[in-house]
Amino acid sequence: SAVISQKPSRDICQRGTSLTIQCQVDSQVTMMFWYRQQPGQSLTLIATANQGSEATYESGFVIDKFPISRPNLTFSTLTVSNMSPEDSSIYLCSVVRGGGYEQYFGPGTRLTVT
Amino acid sequence: GENVEQHPSTLSVQEGDSAVIKCTYSDSASNYFPWYKQELGKRPQLIIDIRSNVGEKKDQRIAVTLNKTAKHFSLHITETQPEDSAVYFCAASEAGGSYIPTFGRGTSLIVHP
Repeated sequence: SAVISQKPSRDICQRGTSLTIQCQVDSQVTMMFWYRQQPGQSLTLIATANQGSEATYESGFVIDKFPISRPNLTFSTLTVSNMSPEDSSIYLCSVVRGGGYEQYFGPGTRLTVT
Repeated sequence: GENVEQHPSTLSVQEGDSAVIKCTYSDSASNYFPWYKQELGKRPQLIIDIRSNVGEKKDQRIAVTLNKTAKHFSLHITETQPEDSAVYFCAASEAGGSYIPTFGRGTSLIVHP
């Protein structure tokens, strides 16, 4: 498995502000992803965080709203910009180790926008 | 792209009964099918997975079956216990290729003591 930590674990933010979420893995991983999960819903992929290059975003998600960094093979950040109440959700970091099969999730960041 | 359908959305069983959750997928390139268990307020945890070169895999009380021809796979839990209560997600992906997994909508399993 992989040990994944996320910071912060939760936050309450005001409309119009931005929040940066950090994801740290205990060892190098091949792939890192960012997901959003609304209460009672499935997992929605926001983007794949690419080391040393721009993230690859899924349909409906754009870089200006969700800028992502991945400076190395163990760390990534997701910023939720210019937040609105609709951004209230749980944001999860996820990784796949070399070998390309098993996927593991971080503990999540619970974001509430007021 | 891939489309994964999962049924049922809710499953209620008595302790000791078996539970079966079914998923279908659309992309024949998918070759890796994991199952995740998510307890309330916690992260999804990988509980079992199967690759396309295998038809069945078992781990104690849980098993997964795969029918590549029909493009469906199922999770079987035997002798259910209250601690099995959670939301279960299936997924399909092309490991070794694009990888990006597509998740089902989830099944809320409730095991009554």
